[in-house]
Amino acid sequence: KNEVEQSPQNLTAQEGEFITINCSYSVGISALHWLQQHPGGGIVSLFMLSSGKKKHGRLIATINIQEKHSSLHITASHPRDSAVYICAVPNYGGSQGNLIFGKGTKLSVKP
Amino acid sequence: DAGITQSPRHKVTETGTPVTLRCHQTENHRYMYWYRQDPGHGLRLIHYSYGVKDTDKGEVSDGYSVSRSKTEDFLLTLESATSSQTSVYFCAISRGPERRTQYFGPGTRLLVL
Repeated sequence: KNEVEQSPQNLTAQEGEFITINCSYSVGISALHWLQQHPGGGIVSLFMLSSGKKKHGRLIATINIQEKHSSLHITASHPRDSAVYICAVPNYGGSQGNLIFGKGTKLSVKP
Repeated sequence: DAGITQSPRHKVTETGTPVTLRCHQTENHRYMYWYRQDPGHGLRLIHYSYGVKDTDKGEVSDGYSVSRSKTEDFLLTLESATSSQTSVYFCAISRGPERRTQYFGPGTRLLVL
């Protein structure tokens, strides 16, 4: 079974700061997911990546398959980025689309 | 938006009573999932379905059953609710290349007294 560890658990930043959230996993995977959970509870998928880097607006996700590690970066952070960020990797080979989720990183961006 | 709704959105019930949560999707996706989310834990898979009448257990399936008689509906039943089943329940579907990306419903907050 894949194990997923995220760090830090909690993160407080000032508006404008560069944010990094880390995710490590124990078993080799084909793809990794980053999700965002808004304070109201809704969960949205941000990225799915298999290698290298993906960028969407101020969010950048990178993955190093050999080191079993991924990072989510937020540039020029804003209070609306305040949310829980969750990393997820496939389970049981991922053939059924099953995922194992990290416990999340709670980000708070202060104005 | 993958057209996923959950009902009810909030429920308070008493220990020992049966509870059924409904997940409804409008886009004919084959794979559907039920998760629970608790403080200190990541989302944990309860059951999933890979088609009508085809379901399988996840990592925390004890005390739960599911049914899928139609593609669009996936029901989660707590046969006899316990306080340990107080949680937020999320339904999800998977789509995209190799069904890798999951899309979540809005969640149901369940309180078992």
